[in-house]
Amino acid sequence: EAGVAQSPRYKIIEKRQSVAFWCNPISGHATLYWYQQILGQGPKLLIQFQNNGVVDDSQLPKDRFSAERLKGVDSTLKIQPAKLEDSAVYLCASSYGSVETQYFGPGTRLLVL
Amino acid sequence: KNEVEQSPQNLTAQEGEFITINCSYSVGISALHWLQQHPGGGIVSLFMLSSGKKKHGRLIATINIQEKHSSLHITASHPRDSAVYICAVRGNTDKLIFGTGTRLQVFP
Repeated sequence: EAGVAQSPRYKIIEKRQSVAFWCNPISGHATLYWYQQILGQGPKLLIQFQNNGVVDDSQLPKDRFSAERLKGVDSTLKIQPAKLEDSAVYLCASSYGSVETQYFGPGTRLLVL
Repeated sequence: KNEVEQSPQNLTAQEGEFITINCSYSVGISALHWLQQHPGGGIVSLFMLSSGKKKHGRLIATINIQEKHSSLHITASHPRDSAVYICAVRGNTDKLIFGTGTRLQVFP
């Protein structure tokens, strides 16, 4: 079974630029999560999708972050414009349902200069 | 105060040593997860517990619901066990709440 795929693996941008991350969950997983993990901290949930609907985006900085999962499969997370404090690893995870085990992708490491 | 606290934050050990990582939480939970994160970011789920004890190879996880405490034990530690170990609890809103992790280094 293929795991959760993410791209790119690394990205370096300057502040005020835009960046987008892509996630392809495990086939059949209805629930998809985007997490932000700042160095030395645990992951923080940014947004949770159930199929193509948003379940929880309470911690998503909506003035600069957006995410979509239009067909209920792949998802993209965008930051526009980026700030220095957005430097982090962005993790995508998926699960069959919201209370099932989450499977994590390798993450995208973002550095904002 | 964080809802999920782990100790120690950093741990070094010699190969073969028995290792214990602790997790305490302050919220009601339906399940507790132990996760392993290797350098490069990838996270692997090790255990999901709601009561008692689970064992997988050299890894053992226990949970005491009354005391709101869980431990992860590694027997006969090996350098490949070096990673960050994260405790996460599923609270009443079904959202995962993560600890800040314990960085383990096992030296040959």
